[in-house]
Amino acid sequence: DIVMTQSPLLLPVTPGEPASISCRSSQSLLHSNGYTYLDWYVQKPGQSPQVLIYLGSNRASGVPDRFSGSGSGTQFTLEISRVEAEDVGIYFCMQSLQSYTFGQGTKLEIK
Amino acid sequence: QVQLQETGPGLLKPSETLSLTCLVSGGSMKNYFWSWIRQPPGKGLQWMGYVHSSGRTVYNPSLKSRVTISIDTSKSHFSLRLMSVTAADAAIYYCARDVSYPIVVPPTTYFYYYMDVWGKGTTVTVSS
Repeated sequence: DIVMTQSPLLLPVTPGEPASISCRSSQSLLHSNGYTYLDWYVQKPGQSPQVLIYLGSNRASGVPDRFSGSGSGTQFTLEISRVEAEDVGIYFCMQSLQSYTFGQGTKLEIK
Repeated sequence: QVQLQETGPGLLKPSETLSLTCLVSGGSMKNYFWSWIRQPPGKGLQWMGYVHSSGRTVYNPSLKSRVTISIDTSKSHFSLRLMSVTAADAAIYYCARDVSYPIVVPPTTYFYYYMDVWGKGTTVTVSS
C-alpha cells in the first residue's frame, strides 16, 4: 500500500498570508506515462470534500488561482498564495497510482 | 448539474450487512466510474471502491472480502454492500463521481480519474 503523510496537521494562518501544506508518499507517484498521480481535496466545515488539484498541479474547474500544486516523485506541496477566511477546512492529498489512499489531513484555521 | 444523494439505514447491529444507495440526478451515469468513500468520526478518508457504468469494479484491497459495489444505470443509481459490520465501520459514507481526464502519450491515450462530484454523505452507526 502507498502511505500518504501530510504535514503539518494543524496550520494556523493569518488572512492575506501564504500557506503551504506538504504531502509525502511512501513510493513515487510517477506513472510510466510521465504524469504524477496525485490530487488535493478540501473538506470545508460541514461539507463533503471537493477537488482542488488533480494530476499534481492542474486546478479543477472553479478553483481560484491562489491555489497551486507542485512536486514530483514522493514530495508534493499545496500552496495558497493569500489565505482567505473561506479557505478554512481540512486539506487532503490523495494518490491514485495504486488504488486510492488519502493523507491524514491538514486542518487550516484562521489566526 | 449532477447531484448525488446517499440513502440507507443509519443504524446497524454488529455482524449485519450495510446496504447504501447513491441516487444520481442531473446527468448520465454512462462512461464514468462511481466511488464510495467513508470517513470515521474525527478521522480521515478511506476510499472503498468504484464501479464503472459498464459494471466493472475495483475495490480497496483492505475491504475487498466484505465489499460489493453494483450499478443500475436504468435506475440512475449505484449501491454499496458491506458485510459483517463492526463498530469500526461506523462512519460518514460518501458517494462520488470519478471524472476522466485524457492523457495523450502517443500512441497511447491514458485516462486519469479524480472525484469531481460528491454527495453530502450519510452517517452510519453500528451498535448492539
